[in-house]
Amino acid sequence: AQSVTQLGSHVSVSEGALVLLRCNYSSSVPPYLFWYVQYPNQGLQLLLKYTTGATLVKGINGFEAEFKKSETSFHLTKPSAHMSDAAEYFCAVSEGNNRLAFGKGNQVVVIP
Amino acid sequence: DTAVSQTPKYLVTQMGNDKSIKCEQNLGHDTMYWYKQDSKKFLKIMFSYNNKELIINETVPNRFSPKSPDKAHLNLHINSLELGDSAVYFCASSQEGHGNTIYFGEGSWLTVV
Repeated sequence: AQSVTQLGSHVSVSEGALVLLRCNYSSSVPPYLFWYVQYPNQGLQLLLKYTTGATLVKGINGFEAEFKKSETSFHLTKPSAHMSDAAEYFCAVSEGNNRLAFGKGNQVVVIP
Repeated sequence: DTAVSQTPKYLVTQMGNDKSIKCEQNLGHDTMYWYKQDSKKFLKIMFSYNNKELIINETVPNRFSPKSPDKAHLNLHINSLELGDSAVYFCASSQEGHGNTIYFGEGSWLTVV
């Protein structure tokens, strides 16, 4: 069964600094990988996803992630944090049957 | 226009009651889901329906019964509510097929007292 590991439940970053959220997955088949963002009291919104093709994926709000098969990773980055990036971020993996397995999430706090 | 809408957004109810959460999607998708997010923000799939047929039924107590009257609707009925049922319940939808984006509703915050 597929699974996702996100380390560090809380991540603090200074405004303007690099945002780096780590995601490692376990999957028995080529995975499809997703990053979702959840703002306070809201639903989940897709940031980006990797299915096939180019391993560097660009998403909304300046985020991008790189699929590295050899490292079973799909880390999320943004060069310069903005106050509006404060939210919960979830990495997810799908092996098929439209079943998403989510990581435990990272709460990002942006320090002015 | 809201793509996936669910009601109510907030629900406070007593133990033992029966409650329903309604969900509708206007994206023309053929697959709908219910996910549960616990107090630690952990998300887990509960059910998945494709064209009104149950596809995924995770280990969920049978007090939870999903009902899909048509492709655009997937309601969740919960009988005999327990304290542990307090959570955020998210409805979602997608087109059938591996890797298709799953769109989530705003969530329904259920508190059982």
